[in-house]
Amino acid sequence: GAGVSQSPSNKVTEKGKDVELRCDPISGHTALYWYRQSLGQGLEFLIYFQGNSAPDKSGLPSDRFSAERTGGSVSTLTIQRTQQEDSAVYLCASSLGANPYGYTFGSGTRLTVV
Amino acid sequence: SQELEQSPQSLIVQEGKNLTINCTSSKTLYGLYWYKQKYGEGLIFLMMLQKGGEEKSHEKITAKLDEKKQQSSLHITASQPSHAGIYLCGAATLNAGGTSYGKLTFGQGTILTVHP
Repeated sequence: GAGVSQSPSNKVTEKGKDVELRCDPISGHTALYWYRQSLGQGLEFLIYFQGNSAPDKSGLPSDRFSAERTGGSVSTLTIQRTQQEDSAVYLCASSLGANPYGYTFGSGTRLTVV
Repeated sequence: SQELEQSPQSLIVQEGKNLTINCTSSKTLYGLYWYKQKYGEGLIFLMMLQKGGEEKSHEKITAKLDEKKQQSSLHITASQPSHAGIYLCGAATLNAGGTSYGKLTFGQGTILTVHP
């Protein structure tokens, strides 16, 4: 596609429920990143996929968070047993190769846990 | 780990005024990226700086990376309401081999409001 597409754009969920956030990167982009932006905070790195390499999961805040990237394209970020502190905007970005010069961000998914 | 501190955290200016946003790193910067974000939207890439002393301009926005490569400034000349948004600086991360790879560390952002 022309840009990075994220869905849903908004998600309200009850505490304790699981949620799945989807990111569809630009076609051909080998690198895909997930970031989280909380109120008053900058962007917090979550996870990074580069080609067929093992993902860098160093930013995932707890084992309730997981992500996968199928076929080197679409990625799904899953949050299990959501907590109120998980409320944030989840941003996905993709780039051609590992150089962040070519980052393109999606519009994000605003997650609200009530 | 590298930390980026942006100042000010928020800025309100009158249209036509000049302004500067600073980004200070706790470590040497090997790639400094400036992005702009509007509410409800993703981040828009503005500029990338790599060399000490480097300066780049795009329309009325100029970014500099100081010689010691630990601070960058973003300067907007004759601000307009269209400049309003959140400005974020991001720093490239080096892997064990000293090569930059895709992960960026971001500052907390500067919220810019421009009154007409």
